[in-house]
Amino acid sequence: EDQVTQSPEALRLQEGESSSLNCSYTVSGLRGLFWYRQDPGKGPEFLFTLYSAGEEKEKERLKATLTKKESFLHITAPKPEDSATYLCAVQRASGYALNFGKGTSLLVTP
Amino acid sequence: SQTIHQWPATLVQPVGSPLSLECTVEGTSNPNLYWYRQAAGRGLQLLFYSVGIGQISSEVPQNLSASRPQDRQFILSSKKLLLSDSGFYLCAWSVGSGETQYFGPGTRLLVL
Repeated sequence: EDQVTQSPEALRLQEGESSSLNCSYTVSGLRGLFWYRQDPGKGPEFLFTLYSAGEEKEKERLKATLTKKESFLHITAPKPEDSATYLCAVQRASGYALNFGKGTSLLVTP
Repeated sequence: SQTIHQWPATLVQPVGSPLSLECTVEGTSNPNLYWYRQAAGRGLQLLFYSVGIGQISSEVPQNLSASRPQDRQFILSSKKLLLSDSGFYLCAWSVGSGETQYFGPGTRLLVL
């Protein structure tokens, strides 16, 4: 059975304090790993898709990396507007479902 | 550009009442459509997906059903709601399988 575990559950950073969020996964035949951002009461907003180990993608202060067992979302010099829950999901090569982790709740204080 | 709509945004329903949630997508043709539920303290779980009009696949056994009467319309229904049906319901679309899924704004359902 596929498993996606995100850590930490919650993270509090000061503005400008860089850190990383972790997503560990086990899946039979990975098609892709997805990162989303979710603000309270809203639908998830797509950030990145990673398809193979060694792949990296960047967007503004965010950088996502992928290995065969885990993915990291690195946040460089975060700002208060980066506060949100960050969700990781994996998709099997043979299926349609995204299998989500429970997310990391990030709070960036001024 | 593509846009996805869901309504209503919030719904409070008594146990045993029927349910109908609607999702529509604009700006794309023949999308794959998905219904997910996000329950408190749990990750998003796929309930149904559809690759075409009238084609519905169920991922988990449950009290709910889905229909796709038009290419860009996806409906989630129940004949009799249970307390356990409470949650945040999200519709999503993708160009095809394996492609990025884009989510709508969601419907928060509270069953009392």
